[in-house]
Amino acid sequence: EAQVTQNPRYLITVTGKKLTVTCSQNMNHEYMSWYRQDPGLGLRQIYYSMNVEVTDKGDVPEGYKVSRKEKRNFPLILESPSPNQTSLYFCASSLTSGRKFFGPGTRLTVL
Amino acid sequence: RKEVEQDPGPFNVPEGATVAFNCTYSNSASQSFFWYRQDCRKEPKLLMSVYSSGNEDGRFTAQLNRASQYISLLIRDSKLSDSATYLCAVTFMDTGRRALTFGSGTRLQVQP
Repeated sequence: EAQVTQNPRYLITVTGKKLTVTCSQNMNHEYMSWYRQDPGLGLRQIYYSMNVEVTDKGDVPEGYKVSRKEKRNFPLILESPSPNQTSLYFCASSLTSGRKFFGPGTRLTVL
Repeated sequence: RKEVEQDPGPFNVPEGATVAFNCTYSNSASQSFFWYRQDCRKEPKLLMSVYSSGNEDGRFTAQLNRASQYISLLIRDSKLSDSATYLCAVTFMDTGRRALTFGSGTRLQVQP
C-alpha cells in the first residue's frame, strides 16, 4: 500500500530535550516536505527536499533541522524544543512540488 | 495579506443542500490549484485538482477564475460524510522553486 508513515504519532516532551520525528514514504517520490499546522494559521512549510542530500528552508524553518540521506526517509529534528513548537506536524511526499501525499500527523506538545 | 485566503466558516448546511466555497490567491503567476479535504485530527487528502476549464467529480465541481484570482469548490446534494475542513492549495514560483501554499481551510458541517 502506498503510504507516508510518521513516528511517533503523539509526543509530550520538555523544553530543551532533543527529539526526532521520523518520516518514511514507499512511493519513490523525490519531493518530501514537513509542515506544521496551527489553528488559524493553516499548514505552513518548515523544510522541503527535492532529492537525496538536497534540502531547503520553507516558510518557518527556525528551530528545526532536517536531513535526506535516503530517498525514502526525511526526519525532522528539534535540537532544543520550545513551547512555541507545540503543534501538529505533517510530513508529505510528492513526485513534483504539486499534489502531495501526507502522513498521518504527529501531535507534539512541548512543556 | 495572506497569499491564499479562505473563509474559515463554519458553513452549517442541511443534508441535500448545495454549498460553495471560494479561495482567493494573491500571486497572479500561480500555476497549479488543488482542493484538499481534512477530517478532524487527520491528514489532508487530495480531493481534486482544479483545471482552467473547470472540472467535475461526481457531486464536486471545481472552477478557476484567473482574472479574479480565485478558485471555487461546489458540493451538490451534501451528505453528512462531507463534513470536514476543505483546504485550497496553490503553487507559484518563489525564488526559483515551485512552492505549494495552503489556505487555512473552510469548515463544513452538514446537519441531518
